[in-house]
Amino acid sequence: AQTVTQSQPEMSVQEAETVTLSCTYDTSESDYYLFWYKQPPSRQMILVIRQEAYKQQNATENRFSVNFQKAAKSFSLKISDSQLGDAAMYFCAYRVPQGGSEKLVFGKGTKLTVNP
Amino acid sequence: DSGVTQTPKHLITATGQRVTLRCSPRSGDLSVYWYQQSLDQGLQFLIQYYNGEERAKGNILERFSAQQFPDLHSELNLSSLELGDSALYFCASSVVGQSQETQYFGPGTRLLVL
Repeated sequence: AQTVTQSQPEMSVQEAETVTLSCTYDTSESDYYLFWYKQPPSRQMILVIRQEAYKQQNATENRFSVNFQKAAKSFSLKISDSQLGDAAMYFCAYRVPQGGSEKLVFGKGTKLTVNP
Repeated sequence: DSGVTQTPKHLITATGQRVTLRCSPRSGDLSVYWYQQSLDQGLQFLIQYYNGEERAKGNILERFSAQQFPDLHSELNLSSLELGDSALYFCASSVVGQSQETQYFGPGTRLLVL
């Protein structure tokens, strides 16, 4: 079974500092896609960043970047220059075509608190 | 704003009742997904539709059903509701439902079963 593990239920960071959220996944597939979604208090699911497994280069979106280690099946999210608006639940998700299903498999989430 | 709309935003009902949740995908998207977010189960995939046809089923109960209409909007029907069905139900959409695509989520419908 495909699983996604986020080992940090909660994390905190000082405003303007950097924080890294961890994610590991389990798969025997070689082609797949990884995502980080943010869920603020409004409960909206917002895509933060995505990574294609076939790409060696780590994805970057402004202050958000990933450290993708395919052999270790690790996909961590780094948030630089943290802002108060970054406070949210962060979900790591994994997606692989499986019998026509393109479902996302989510981790349990990490609650990020940003302290002023 | 993702472009995916869901109605209603909130729904309060009683056990044993039936409700219908509605989702309109982003303009041009043919594939719709339903997810359930609950405290104990986290975010779970329920079902996927592509251009009106069911494409994949996840952890969807037999009491639940869904369909996608010719105008591509989708409805999730929940019947014989139980307390444990209280959750946030998300709809997401993507262009054709391929794995390299990003799924864009709607704001969700919060269901409370009393």
